[in-house]
Amino acid sequence: NAGVTQTPKFQVLKTGQSMTLQCAQDMNHEYMSWYRQDPGMGLRLIHYSVGAGITDQGEVPNGYNVSRSTTEDFPLRLLSAAPSQTSVYFCASSRAGGNGGYTFGSGTRLTVV
Amino acid sequence: KQEVTQIPAALSVPEGENLVLNCSFTDSAIYNLQWFRQDPGKGLTSLLLIQSSQREQTSGRLNASLDKSSGRSTLYIAASQPGDSATYLCAVGEAAGNKLTFGGGTRVLVKP
Repeated sequence: NAGVTQTPKFQVLKTGQSMTLQCAQDMNHEYMSWYRQDPGMGLRLIHYSVGAGITDQGEVPNGYNVSRSTTEDFPLRLLSAAPSQTSVYFCASSRAGGNGGYTFGSGTRLTVV
Repeated sequence: KQEVTQIPAALSVPEGENLVLNCSFTDSAIYNLQWFRQDPGKGLTSLLLIQSSQREQTSGRLNASLDKSSGRSTLYIAASQPGDSATYLCAVGEAAGNKLTFGGGTRVLVKP
């Protein structure tokens, strides 16, 4: 039972490069979200999805794109990396309605130089 | 906009003492509230989920209460152990639970 799987675990990017953070869940959860965690700022919502084909912006969406073509996958794309995007990124999933609570992945630690 | 606050930011107690962690939120129209544990450099582990219609949840040595009217939740950890040392995060679920607003966390150290 894998839960929520994030890849890669670590990544170093140069300013201006693009990349995709992968997130997959095997629990058939409808809801998926991306958060970033920064020292002193806590976790903040980047983008979320309530089902395949449906996405919406969270609190800090600028510089990031998402898509949800399947129930299982919810990749996060950095279009042109900036040092301000250095952070730890967490993907999470839950059943519709949130009755089952959220399950989080182990995170991707991204450094932009 | 929902704001979630956790006080204190850090807490140090001797082993065996009970832990009391506080979480407050500004908008009482919540769907649920979840407590997480985070170890250094690791992801979040769900501890307890309280639905908005519930007053408390218990799991082993952990008990979490919810008072929506006052915008507060408290996590109690009985008979603390060094293995309880971690950061504890409170998160409020809104809009049918598909968005979480997090507090800044309380970093706990339990000394042997």
